[in-house]
Amino acid sequence: DAGVIQSPRHEVTEMGQEVTLRCKPISGHNSLFWYRQTMMRGLELLIYFNNNVPIDDSGMPEDRFSAKMPNASFSTLKIQPSEPRDSAVYFCASLGTGRNQPQHFGDGTRLSIL
Amino acid sequence: DQQVKQNSPSLSVQEGRISILNCDYTNSMFDYFLWYKKYPAEGPTFLISISSIKDKNEDGRFTVFLNKSAKHLSLHIVPSQPGDSAVYFCAASEGGISSGSARQLTFGSGTQLTVLP
Repeated sequence: DAGVIQSPRHEVTEMGQEVTLRCKPISGHNSLFWYRQTMMRGLELLIYFNNNVPIDDSGMPEDRFSAKMPNASFSTLKIQPSEPRDSAVYFCASLGTGRNQPQHFGDGTRLSIL
Repeated sequence: DQQVKQNSPSLSVQEGRISILNCDYTNSMFDYFLWYKKYPAEGPTFLISISSIKDKNEDGRFTVFLNKSAKHLSLHIVPSQPGDSAVYFCAASEGGISSGSARQLTFGSGTQLTVLP
């Protein structure tokens, strides 16, 4: 039973470049979440989707960040242009429709902007 | 303003003893609480949860206690095992009871548990 799949696992790029992080949620889950983990701010929610529709993007730090969910099995988080302060681990999580369901996390993308 | 606080960044416990991890929250609207465990280079893994209508939930070696008046919850692991060594995150959600699921989670900063053999 496949869990949440994120790619790439690691990304190193120079500032100013566009970065695209990808996520495949668990099949049948209808909610998807993007989180960022840093030493300073811990694990913080950036945006979440319900049935492919963005519900709350108040955690997105600035306009350089954008997220899409074109279908139920794929989402992207894009940073353009990237800056060194964007370096962090980015997690994707998905959630099913049943009661008392926890969010299931992927293994994250470690992003380093030089 | 941290709404969920884990004031102990680290905890060391001897194998076989009890581990107690603590979490405090400030938002009285939180009604659903979860604990996640995280190993290095992996994503957080769900451990156990509790809704605000209960004060205790048990699952094998793991028990979560909720004290609503003190806005405090704790995770007890008995007996502790070396494989339990990980970072433990407390998380909270509003509306979890009505929706049946924890959607917008607010996480604490985590506690690194080390279980010594």
